[in-house]
Amino acid sequence: GAVVSQHPSWVICKSGTSVKIECRSLDFQATTMFWYRQFPKQSLMLMATSNEGSKATYEQGVEKDKFLINHASLTLSTLTVTSAHPEDSSFYICSGGGGLVYGYTFGSGTRLTVV
Amino acid sequence: AQKITQTQPGMFVQEKEAVTLDCTYDTSDQSYGLFWYKQPSSGEMIFLIYQGSYDEQNATEGRYSLNFQKARKSANLVISASQLGDSAMYFCAMREGTGNQFYFGTGTSLTVIP
Repeated sequence: GAVVSQHPSWVICKSGTSVKIECRSLDFQATTMFWYRQFPKQSLMLMATSNEGSKATYEQGVEKDKFLINHASLTLSTLTVTSAHPEDSSFYICSGGGGLVYGYTFGSGTRLTVV
Repeated sequence: AQKITQTQPGMFVQEKEAVTLDCTYDTSDQSYGLFWYKQPSSGEMIFLIYQGSYDEQNATEGRYSLNFQKARKSANLVISASQLGDSAMYFCAMREGTGNQFYFGTGTSLTVIP
């Protein structure tokens, strides 16, 4: 089946630094990738939708300059959290689209802790 | 209005018993898809089952079945013969028409008791 590989699975960074999270579709072409954020014991909140070769569409309230999304190829989308602060600590998870009938495959998620 | 509503924040079930997790949805589209995902403590989202709005029969996948009641706009997940490994968060989700976006419910935390 379709697989989305997400790295890193967890990361601890210092406040003010940037962190890049990668999602790769291993056996299908992900023309669309969704990035979600999840706080403990809460649901997934869609942050942005990225389409290969074009600018990402951000949900209301999500800072474009803080959460940089790049989807330069059909198999790779990246989320960079710039100038991270402790309030950015969260679980980030991607899911890949592109013609799948039954839904989208999720990455394994990245647990970000900013200290 | 919420697109997906899960009214059970937490549920307990005895091992080997069946449990139903509730989900109601709101859409004006005729074509939509309903999904259930399992999220263990590790965080990964595991696809469980899918029901299309035009599917006349309830979807089944092993121990999982979806009780689809279109008129009531409900898509409850039934897990039969619960196992300890079923303890996790369960999310109901919907995709409308040809849109790409998923709408998730707030989730139900299921605990299977030995």
